[in-house]
Amino acid sequence: QVQLVQSGAEVKKPGASVKVTCKASGYTFTSYGITWVRQAPGQGLEWMGWISGYNGKTNFAQKFQGRVSVTTETSTNTAYMELRSLRSDDTAVYYCARQTIPRDYADYWGQGTLVTVSS
Amino acid sequence: EIVLTQSPDTLFLSPGERATLSCRASQTVSDNCLAWYQQKPGQAPRLLMYGATRGATGIPDRFSGSGSGTDFTLTITRLEPEDFAVYYCQQYGSSPLTFGGGTKVEIK
Repeated sequence: QVQLVQSGAEVKKPGASVKVTCKASGYTFTSYGITWVRQAPGQGLEWMGWISGYNGKTNFAQKFQGRVSVTTETSTNTAYMELRSLRSDDTAVYYCARQTIPRDYADYWGQGTLVTVSS
Repeated sequence: EIVLTQSPDTLFLSPGERATLSCRASQTVSDNCLAWYQQKPGQAPRLLMYGATRGATGIPDRFSGSGSGTDFTLTITRLEPEDFAVYYCQQYGSSPLTFGGGTKVEIK
């Protein structure tokens, strides 16, 4: 069965960076992309960006361009999301999800990774 | 970017009742690229519907989606206890992908 397993919770100081891991299994990694969505405490969902599992092509929301990097490692079926220059309002649960192309729905989701930014 | 407005914010209903959730877009959603997700506390979102009207794998047929253009609806014909949750619409026809603010379905 399709599974996306994310790395554990992180606590970071303002200005630092965080890297979240998303390990996929149960499907052909290179046939799909991975999308990243975040959810601040008690708030709604916010799309951040997408990466192709086939060729590493990316597509980001303008809000995050220049501050976020997404990469994949096809040998281990793993995707990574790094967010830099963290601020307190980056405190959120970060989700990875399987998504075929940049403009598509996300059909399987990871369990989420809580990133807390606090001094 | 396309702004999605969901209404109502909260819906108070009893098990067995019908739920009707609305999602309105600020501009036409390309090719009816509209999805619905269900989220329970402490859990990741779960895909319910895509293409406005198509049920995702394993979704019970009490869930249905309708609409086109700028107005979309998710209907749950008879609420089961496990359906009390927050529901989000998402448009994926234009970048950036955007979500509505959510509708919470609560037990009356």
